[in-house]
Amino acid sequence: ETGVTQTPRHLVMGMTNKKSLKCEQHLGHNAMYWYKQSAKKPLELMFVYSLEERVENNSVPSRFSPECPNSSHLFLHLHTLQPEDSALYLCASSPVGTYYGYTFGSGTRLTVV
Amino acid sequence: AQSVTQLDSHVSVSEGTPVLLRCNYSSSYSPSLFWYVQHPNKGLQLLLKYTSAATLVKGINGFEAEFKKSETSFHLTKPSAHMSDAAEYFCVVSEGNQFYFGTGTSLTVIP
Repeated sequence: ETGVTQTPRHLVMGMTNKKSLKCEQHLGHNAMYWYKQSAKKPLELMFVYSLEERVENNSVPSRFSPECPNSSHLFLHLHTLQPEDSALYLCASSPVGTYYGYTFGSGTRLTVV
Repeated sequence: AQSVTQLDSHVSVSEGTPVLLRCNYSSSYSPSLFWYVQHPNKGLQLLLKYTSAATLVKGINGFEAEFKKSETSFHLTKPSAHMSDAAEYFCVVSEGNQFYFGTGTSLTVIP
């Protein structure tokens, strides 16, 4: 375990469903991130929360909605997804700034059917 | 503009032989550089990082990387490959609060 826990590990959902991905860290980090990893594509930064405030959106479709209720928890709410949204969704945390690098969770493998 | 280029998308080595995974970067300032490893169905794990101290950086599992500013390179090496090294490897450059990932190199280790 890295100290960043993601649940669920696997998720299959229909295009009309609503689901949420959860990320939790108790490393004392103040920044948390959602990344999307698709086959044969570079990692895509989706959202950044630093000190519980969103600092970057990167033009992610509105069917993805992040929530960061406190510095230890991060959610990604999903609704009316498309099959092309099937991917591995990775959560990461770090102290504020990138000097120390990220600690990643194991990811949620999402399949949209 | 910052960018990271991993020169090989796939590398195959025999068990017990050296590993070389190449990474070149472009950066306007003095960057921090990282190598991450990802095993199948797992998240990314930090192997090592360079943050303007010694140019030869030692990481976990016997991996090393050398920062060469004149060549803008940060290649990852290991003297002797092990079967458990088979994975995807990512070179990462950071500046300020931004991380820039390479597209990854898939390492295959042949018994």
